[in-house]
Amino acid sequence: NAGVTQTPKFRILKIGQSMTLQCTQDMNHNYMYWYRQDPGMGLKLIYYSVGAGITDKGEVPNGYNVSRSTTEDFPLRLELAAPSQTSVYFCASSYLLGVRDTPYEQYFGPGTRLTVT
Amino acid sequence: GNSVTQMEGPVTLSEEAFLTINCTYTATGYPSLFWYVQYPGEGLQLLLKATKADDKGSNKGFEATYRKETTSFHLEKGSVQVSDSAVYFCAFGGSNYKLTFGKGTLLTVNP
Repeated sequence: NAGVTQTPKFRILKIGQSMTLQCTQDMNHNYMYWYRQDPGMGLKLIYYSVGAGITDKGEVPNGYNVSRSTTEDFPLRLELAAPSQTSVYFCASSYLLGVRDTPYEQYFGPGTRLTVT
Repeated sequence: GNSVTQMEGPVTLSEEAFLTINCTYTATGYPSLFWYVQYPGEGLQLLLKATKADDKGSNKGFEATYRKETTSFHLEKGSVQVSDSAVYFCAFGGSNYKLTFGKGTLLTVNP
Protein backbone atom coordinates (compact mmCIF):
# COMPACT_ATOMS: atom_id res chain seq x y z
CA ASN A 1 0.00 0.00 0.00
CA ALA A 2 1.19 3.50 -0.81
CA GLY A 3 -0.80 4.93 2.12
CA VAL A 4 -1.69 8.61 1.75
CA THR A 5 -0.17 10.39 -1.22
CA GLN A 6 -0.22 14.12 -1.92
CA THR A 7 0.67 16.15 -4.98
CA PRO A 8 2.39 18.47 -5.63
CA LYS A 9 5.17 18.53 -3.03
CA PHE A 10 5.94 22.20 -3.57
CA ARG A 11 4.11 25.03 -5.27
CA ILE A 12 4.48 28.78 -5.59
CA LEU A 13 1.35 30.75 -6.41
CA LYS A 14 0.81 34.38 -7.17
CA ILE A 15 -1.86 36.28 -5.23
CA GLY A 16 -5.27 35.67 -6.74
CA GLN A 17 -4.38 32.42 -8.50
CA SER A 18 -6.17 29.20 -7.70
CA MET A 19 -5.03 25.60 -7.43
CA THR A 20 -6.07 22.15 -6.26
CA LEU A 21 -4.04 20.07 -3.84
CA GLN A 22 -4.53 16.39 -4.51
CA CYS A 23 -4.84 13.69 -1.85
CA THR A 24 -5.37 9.97 -2.40
CA GLN A 25 -5.42 7.05 0.03
CA ASP A 26 -5.47 3.36 -0.79
CA MET A 27 -6.40 1.99 2.64
CA ASN A 28 -10.18 2.17 2.13
CA HIS A 29 -10.49 4.60 5.03
CA ASN A 30 -13.80 6.39 5.33
CA TYR A 31 -12.45 9.40 7.15
CA MET A 32 -10.21 11.99 5.52
CA TYR A 33 -8.88 15.34 6.72
CA TRP A 34 -7.02 18.42 5.55
CA TYR A 35 -4.75 20.32 7.91
CA ARG A 36 -2.47 23.29 7.58
CA GLN A 37 0.69 23.62 9.60
CA ASP A 38 2.10 27.04 10.28
CA PRO A 39 5.48 27.44 12.01
CA GLY A 40 5.19 26.98 15.76
CA MET A 41 1.40 26.70 15.57
CA GLY A 42 0.76 23.00 15.35
CA LEU A 43 -1.93 21.69 13.02
CA LYS A 44 -5.25 23.33 12.26
CA LEU A 45 -8.10 21.39 10.69
CA ILE A 46 -9.41 22.93 7.47
CA TYR A 47 -12.04 20.41 6.30
CA TYR A 48 -12.85 16.80 6.92
CA SER A 49 -14.99 14.07 5.41
CA VAL A 50 -16.63 11.03 6.99
CA GLY A 51 -17.34 9.33 3.69
CA ALA A 52 -17.90 9.83 -0.01
CA GLY A 53 -20.28 12.72 -0.60
CA ILE A 54 -20.02 14.06 2.96
CA THR A 55 -17.76 16.94 3.98
CA ASP A 56 -17.72 19.40 6.85
CA LYS A 57 -15.80 22.46 7.97
CA GLY A 58 -12.98 22.39 10.48
CA GLU A 59 -11.44 25.27 12.40
CA VAL A 60 -10.13 27.33 9.46
CA PRO A 61 -12.21 26.67 6.31
CA ASN A 62 -12.30 30.19 4.87
CA GLY A 63 -10.66 30.44 1.45
CA TYR A 64 -10.82 26.69 0.82
CA ASN A 65 -13.22 24.17 -0.67
CA VAL A 66 -13.27 20.39 -0.77
CA SER A 67 -15.14 17.58 -2.45
CA ARG A 68 -15.28 13.83 -1.85
CA SER A 69 -16.68 12.01 -4.84
CA THR A 70 -14.85 8.74 -4.09
CA THR A 71 -13.56 7.00 -0.98
CA GLU A 72 -9.98 7.35 -2.22
CA ASP A 73 -9.74 11.02 -3.18
CA PHE A 74 -10.15 14.22 -1.18
CA PRO A 75 -8.90 17.26 -3.12
CA LEU A 76 -8.52 20.69 -1.51
CA ARG A 77 -9.24 23.72 -3.64
CA LEU A 78 -7.76 27.16 -3.02
CA GLU A 79 -9.60 29.99 -4.72
CA LEU A 80 -8.04 33.46 -4.95
CA ALA A 81 -4.82 32.58 -3.14
CA ALA A 82 -3.65 35.01 -0.45
CA PRO A 83 -0.29 35.33 1.37
CA SER A 84 -2.03 34.14 4.56
CA GLN A 85 -2.44 30.75 2.89
CA THR A 86 1.31 30.22 2.76
CA SER A 87 1.71 27.05 4.79
CA VAL A 88 2.38 23.33 4.69
CA TYR A 89 -0.76 21.32 3.96
CA PHE A 90 -1.24 17.78 5.18
CA CYS A 91 -3.89 15.30 4.19
CA ALA A 92 -4.74 12.43 6.55
CA SER A 93 -7.09 9.48 6.71
CA SER A 94 -8.39 7.24 9.48
CA TYR A 95 -10.81 4.49 10.37
CA LEU A 96 -13.01 3.65 13.35
CA LEU A 97 -13.11 0.38 15.20
CA GLY A 98 -16.50 1.47 16.43
CA VAL A 99 -16.71 0.29 20.01
CA ARG A 100 -17.19 3.77 21.39
CA ASP A 101 -17.08 5.58 18.03
CA THR A 102 -13.77 7.13 18.91
CA PRO A 103 -11.33 7.73 16.10
CA TYR A 104 -8.20 5.69 15.79
CA GLU A 105 -4.90 6.90 14.50
CA GLN A 106 -4.73 9.14 11.49
CA TYR A 107 -2.31 8.36 8.69
CA PHE A 108 -0.64 11.40 7.17
CA GLY A 109 0.64 12.19 3.72
CA PRO A 110 4.06 13.81 3.18
CA GLY A 111 2.62 17.31 2.78
CA THR A 112 2.48 20.09 0.19
CA ARG A 113 4.54 23.19 0.85
CA LEU A 114 2.69 26.18 -0.62
CA THR A 115 4.01 29.72 -0.94
CA VAL A 116 1.77 32.59 -2.06
CA THR A 117 3.58 35.74 -3.15
CA GLY B 1 -13.85 23.21 24.94
CA ASN B 2 -11.48 20.42 24.09
CA SER B 3 -7.80 21.30 24.15
CA VAL B 4 -4.31 19.89 24.47
CA THR B 5 -1.48 21.60 26.28
CA GLN B 6 2.02 20.31 25.72
CA MET B 7 5.37 21.43 26.94
CA GLU B 8 6.79 24.37 25.05
CA GLY B 9 10.04 23.81 23.27
CA PRO B 10 12.56 23.73 22.03
CA VAL B 11 14.14 20.98 24.10
CA THR B 12 17.84 20.30 23.65
CA LEU B 13 19.44 17.20 25.15
CA SER B 14 22.68 15.31 24.92
CA GLU B 15 22.67 11.78 23.59
CA GLU B 16 21.65 9.17 26.20
CA ALA B 17 19.83 11.76 28.34
CA PHE B 18 16.36 11.12 29.76
CA LEU B 19 13.45 12.75 27.95
CA THR B 20 10.09 13.90 29.27
CA ILE B 21 7.62 15.93 27.24
CA ASN B 22 4.53 16.85 29.23
CA CYS B 23 1.05 16.72 27.78
CA THR B 24 -2.29 17.41 29.45
CA TYR B 25 -5.73 17.53 27.91
CA THR B 26 -9.15 18.95 28.57
CA ALA B 27 -12.00 16.90 27.17
CA THR B 28 -15.31 15.38 28.03
CA GLY B 29 -15.66 11.65 28.18
CA TYR B 30 -12.83 9.20 27.61
CA PRO B 31 -10.75 10.19 24.63
CA SER B 32 -8.07 8.14 22.91
CA LEU B 33 -4.60 9.65 23.27
CA PHE B 34 -1.75 9.74 20.78
CA TRP B 35 1.81 10.89 20.31
CA TYR B 36 2.90 11.71 16.78
CA VAL B 37 6.42 12.45 15.55
CA GLN B 38 7.42 14.61 12.60
CA TYR B 39 10.94 14.28 11.23
CA PRO B 40 12.33 17.20 9.21
CA GLY B 41 10.59 17.60 5.86
CA GLU B 42 8.15 14.76 6.47
CA GLY B 43 4.54 14.22 7.48
CA LEU B 44 3.39 13.12 10.92
CA GLN B 45 3.81 9.50 11.95
CA LEU B 46 2.05 7.79 14.81
CA LEU B 47 4.56 7.05 17.57
CA LEU B 48 2.28 5.46 20.18
CA LYS B 49 -1.27 5.49 21.44
CA ALA B 50 -3.51 4.59 24.40
CA THR B 51 -7.25 4.11 24.25
CA LYS B 52 -8.29 3.84 27.89
CA ALA B 53 -7.21 4.88 31.37
CA ASP B 54 -4.00 3.29 32.69
CA ASP B 55 -3.05 2.00 29.24
CA LYS B 56 0.63 2.40 28.44
CA GLY B 57 1.61 3.00 24.84
CA SER B 58 5.16 2.19 23.80
CA ASN B 59 7.25 2.19 20.65
CA LYS B 60 10.95 2.65 19.76
CA GLY B 61 11.85 3.07 23.44
CA PHE B 62 9.25 5.79 23.99
CA GLU B 63 6.46 5.32 26.53
CA ALA B 64 3.40 7.24 27.70
CA THR B 65 0.73 6.27 30.23
CA TYR B 66 -2.89 7.44 30.02
CA ARG B 67 -3.54 9.05 33.43
CA LYS B 68 -7.23 9.84 33.74
CA GLU B 69 -6.92 11.29 37.25
CA THR B 70 -4.42 13.93 36.09
CA THR B 71 -5.67 14.08 32.46
CA SER B 72 -2.11 13.61 31.29
CA PHE B 73 -0.18 11.58 28.72
CA HIS B 74 3.47 12.49 29.22
CA LEU B 75 6.03 11.12 26.74
CA GLU B 76 9.22 9.58 28.13
CA LYS B 77 12.34 7.91 26.85
CA GLY B 78 15.17 6.68 28.99
CA SER B 79 18.05 7.31 26.60
CA VAL B 80 17.59 9.55 23.56
CA GLN B 81 19.58 9.27 20.35
CA VAL B 82 20.52 11.85 17.74
CA SER B 83 18.02 10.16 15.41
CA ASP B 84 15.19 11.10 17.83
CA SER B 85 15.56 14.76 16.87
CA ALA B 86 12.12 15.75 15.57
CA VAL B 87 8.92 17.57 16.49
CA TYR B 88 6.58 15.66 18.81
CA PHE B 89 2.85 16.25 18.91
CA CYS B 90 0.40 15.14 21.56
CA ALA B 91 -3.18 14.59 20.37
CA PHE B 92 -6.48 13.24 21.57
CA GLY B 93 -9.53 11.94 19.77
CA GLY B 94 -13.02 12.26 21.13
CA SER B 95 -16.33 11.14 19.72
CA ASN B 96 -16.50 13.54 16.77
CA TYR B 97 -14.09 11.81 14.33
CA LYS B 98 -11.48 14.52 14.79
CA LEU B 99 -8.15 14.75 16.56
CA THR B 100 -7.09 17.76 18.59
CA PHE B 101 -3.34 18.39 18.42
CA GLY B 102 -0.99 20.23 20.71
CA LYS B 103 1.36 22.83 19.23
CA GLY B 104 4.31 20.47 19.05
CA THR B 105 7.63 20.29 20.87
CA LEU B 106 10.89 20.49 18.94
CA LEU B 107 13.51 18.08 20.30
CA THR B 108 17.15 18.37 19.34
CA VAL B 109 19.58 15.70 20.51
CA ASN B 110 23.28 16.53 20.29
CA PRO B 111 26.00 13.86 20.04
